[in-house]
Amino acid sequence: AQSVSQHNHHVILSEAASLELGCNYSYGGTVNLFWYVQYPGQHLQLLLKYFSGDPLVKGIKGFEAEFIKSKFSFNLRKPSVQWSDTAEYFCAVNLKAAGNKLTFGGGTRVLVKP
Amino acid sequence: KAGVTQTPRYLIKTRGQQVTLSCSPISGHRSVSWYQQTPGQGLQFLFEYFSETQRNKGNFPGRFSGRQFSNSRSEMNVSTLELGDSALYLCASSKETSGVVNEQFFGPGTRLTVL
Repeated sequence: AQSVSQHNHHVILSEAASLELGCNYSYGGTVNLFWYVQYPGQHLQLLLKYFSGDPLVKGIKGFEAEFIKSKFSFNLRKPSVQWSDTAEYFCAVNLKAAGNKLTFGGGTRVLVKP
Repeated sequence: KAGVTQTPRYLIKTRGQQVTLSCSPISGHRSVSWYQQTPGQGLQFLFEYFSETQRNKGNFPGRFSGRQFSNSRSEMNVSTLELGDSALYLCASSKETSGVVNEQFFGPGTRLTVL
């Protein structure tokens, strides 16, 4: 069955620390990959996306992600987090041939301590 | 440009009742998808509509249904509500260009509580 796994459910960091969130997927075809963020009290927002081309993609707010096809992974990174990065982060995948059906990972709650 | 809007934002119903939720996509977006978000199951895809036709469907019982109108606005309906239907229901819209899928933009959601 198609699935998306996020390794960490909760992450606690101090400001200026580096962040890396893991995401692995299990899909049998060509995929589009996304990271969404949900800040407290706000709706889901797109951080970055990968459709094709350079496997290292840069998103908003200093985030980047690397698509490693051989590992079925799409890990999210930020070199230096801020308190305002406190949020829940979701990895999502869809099959290119399946319209807009997104399969989400379980999410990772990130708390950045000031 | 206005974002995705959903109405109502909060809803309280009792078991056995039915409910209709509404979603207005971003202007020019023809694809509308619905998701259910719960603490236990996370974000799960319900269905997607494109040009008034259901294009994709998730693994939800037939009590969950939807439709899309000619102006791309969409509604979803849940009949015979159960306690487990309590969730945040999210709508997302997407602009497709020549059949190429783009990212989805999410609305704030409708918080449904079933008592």
